[in-house]
Amino acid sequence: AQKVTQAQTEISVVEKEDVTLDCVYETRDTTYYLFWYKQPPSGELVFLIRRNSFDEQNEISGRYSWNFQKSTSSFNFTITASQVVDSAVYFCALLTGANSKLTFGKGITLSVRP
Amino acid sequence: NAGVMQNPRHLVRRRGQEARLRCSPMKGHSHVYWYRQLPEEGLKFMVYLQKENIIDESGMPKERFSAEFPKEGPSILRIQQVVRGDSAAYFCASSQKAGGLAVNIQYFGAGTRLSVL
Repeated sequence: AQKVTQAQTEISVVEKEDVTLDCVYETRDTTYYLFWYKQPPSGELVFLIRRNSFDEQNEISGRYSWNFQKSTSSFNFTITASQVVDSAVYFCALLTGANSKLTFGKGITLSVRP
Repeated sequence: NAGVMQNPRHLVRRRGQEARLRCSPMKGHSHVYWYRQLPEEGLKFMVYLQKENIIDESGMPKERFSAEFPKEGPSILRIQQVVRGDSAAYFCASSQKAGGLAVNIQYFGAGTRLSVL
């Protein structure tokens, strides 16, 4: 069975602080994909990144960076120099090679204060 | 290129009525997924469809819920005889191709917020 755990439920930071959102996953499949989605207050889900299980290179996109470590089954997301517009709920999700449904964590509510 | 379109954005129904939620996938996408988001919870998979076929409905309640994705037109999630516990946000996603090594990204619509009075 697949499982995604986002142990942090709510995080509050002041603008310009760095913040890391944790994600731990469980799967017995050797082929799988990890995702992060953002849900701003307006409610839609915005795709941020996809990473496959064979690629452990970290990725950076502007102020966003992702750290994938198979040894600890983690796929953490760091926002550098946070901004108020980063305030949202962030979901980590897992998709295994055996099926096509995403398994989501419960999400982390990030509040960035001015 | 329009994204995944869901309508209505908000839907209010009284107990016992029917709810129909529509989803038009992104252009070129032939795979549709429905997820439900209950308050204070993450998204839970309900059903995965390709054109005219249900591929996986393991997350869908056995009674009152049905889904279709006809050859022409949007995908429909239908809830009959709604109850208060059906109140939730229902999200649709689409992708180009799914499964195996060629898995693609699921792009989500803005969701339909169903309120059952």
